Amino acid sequence: DSGVTQTPKHLITATGQRVTLRCSPRSGDLSVYWYQQSLDQGLQFLIQYYNGEERAKGNILERFSAQQFPDLHSELNLSSLELGDSALYFCASSAGTSGSGANEQFFGPGTRLTVL
Amino acid sequence: DAKTTQPTSMDCAEGRAANLPCNHSTISGNEYVYWYRQIHSQGPQYIIHGLKNNETNEMASLIITEDRKSSTLILPHATLRDTAVYYCIVRVSGWFGNEKLTFGTGTRLTIIP
Repeated sequence: DSGVTQTPKHLITATGQRVTLRCSPRSGDLSVYWYQQSLDQGLQFLIQYYNGEERAKGNILERFSAQQFPDLHSELNLSSLELGDSALYFCASSAGTSGSGANEQFFGPGTRLTVL
Repeated sequence: DAKTTQPTSMDCAEGRAANLPCNHSTISGNEYVYWYRQIHSQGPQYIIHGLKNNETNEMASLIITEDRKSSTLILPHATLRDTAVYYCIVRVSGWFGNEKLTFGTGTRLTIIP
């Protein structure tokens, strides 16, 4: 158990819909990352938040957005869903403290999104 | 971040040491070598990381060559539960740069009973 929790575990929805994925980082971790894993693209970084602020962006679509709340949990919002958005979405967290060098990331169990 | 090259797949007999190689010939001085693994569709699991020196923890050992252009992850006594995809990732030391992890295709390690 990594200490990172994600809800829901599974989500089935239709094209055009909007969903919200939730992540609670490990206690004390300030950084949250979102990754997408699809069959054809592998594991891809989407976005990172640190202490409530966006810190880095990857290949995140404009239809996707995220935020990190004062209690440090994060939500990933996916809208106007397409069939190709079906994937595993992982959240990870790290301490993210200045000067700590190599910050290992701890991953949650993921949310499996199926768009029909 | 430097690119890494790993074999697509490897087999190892249960109880033997599994040695997983990784080439990172373009690594720069401030980049760490990380290893993660993913068992089936679970979230990736951190294994170990290193900068220059060899490292060991309860899960594995990491051997980095002196020129830092390659490394080997060693699972000393492989069990069936070690069957997974293993990712070697090179990343600039965390705080001042982009902390994302760039996953390649990894090595699919199968432990044979």
